Amino acid sequence: SQTIHQWPATLVQPVGSPLSLECTVEGTSNPNLYWYRQAAGRGLQLLFYSVGIGQISSEVPQNLSASRPQDRQFILSSKKLLLSDSGFYLCAWTNQPGQKTSGNTIYFGEGSWLTVV
Amino acid sequence: AQTVTQSQPEMSVQEAETVTLSCTYDTSESNYYLFWYKQPPSRQMILVIRQEAYKQQNATENRFSVNFQKAAKSFSLKISDSQLGDTAMYFCAFMKHSGGGADGLTFGKGTHLIIQP
Repeated sequence: SQTIHQWPATLVQPVGSPLSLECTVEGTSNPNLYWYRQAAGRGLQLLFYSVGIGQISSEVPQNLSASRPQDRQFILSSKKLLLSDSGFYLCAWTNQPGQKTSGNTIYFGEGSWLTVV
Repeated sequence: AQTVTQSQPEMSVQEAETVTLSCTYDTSESNYYLFWYKQPPSRQMILVIRQEAYKQQNATENRFSVNFQKAAKSFSLKISDSQLGDTAMYFCAFMKHSGGGADGLTFGKGTHLIIQP
């Protein structure tokens, strides 16, 4: 079965410091990968998605970047955090069209709480 | 672009009662998927139920069922015999069929459901 792991679960970082959140999917190959952010009291906002290694699409211009160095690894980064980057970050995945299992359904990791102070 | 609207910010019912959460959406797509996700206090996003727009039959999963009205662009979630563990934020979400899910999900703002003992 497929699983998704994301870490760290909780992070407190000072303004201006770098960020790296990592996400790994197991049990599948060539998934679509996503980073969402959920600010306090608000819905989920899609930040980035990737359909393959090195292929990143950004939905919202911001202080963050994403990379996909391996097929099942997705990393969210920042060189200098802002207070407004605080929030709950969720990594998610789905299978590509044509694959037998879990197609067209997006599954989420456990999430990472980021507090910028 | 798609929009998803959840008009009930918060609902509260007694344990064992039936509750219906509302969701409407707007899209020009003819084929798409609709989802309900549950987010308990742990913040992990859990899939509750999934509906394919080309299927007329309403999806059901144990105590959870949907009323999908494609012409009205309505997608409500009914929870029967509600339990204390159903207390959570519930998000309605849309994903278009074209593009293989690469664009991810569009979420509503959520409904906070509280099950009272």
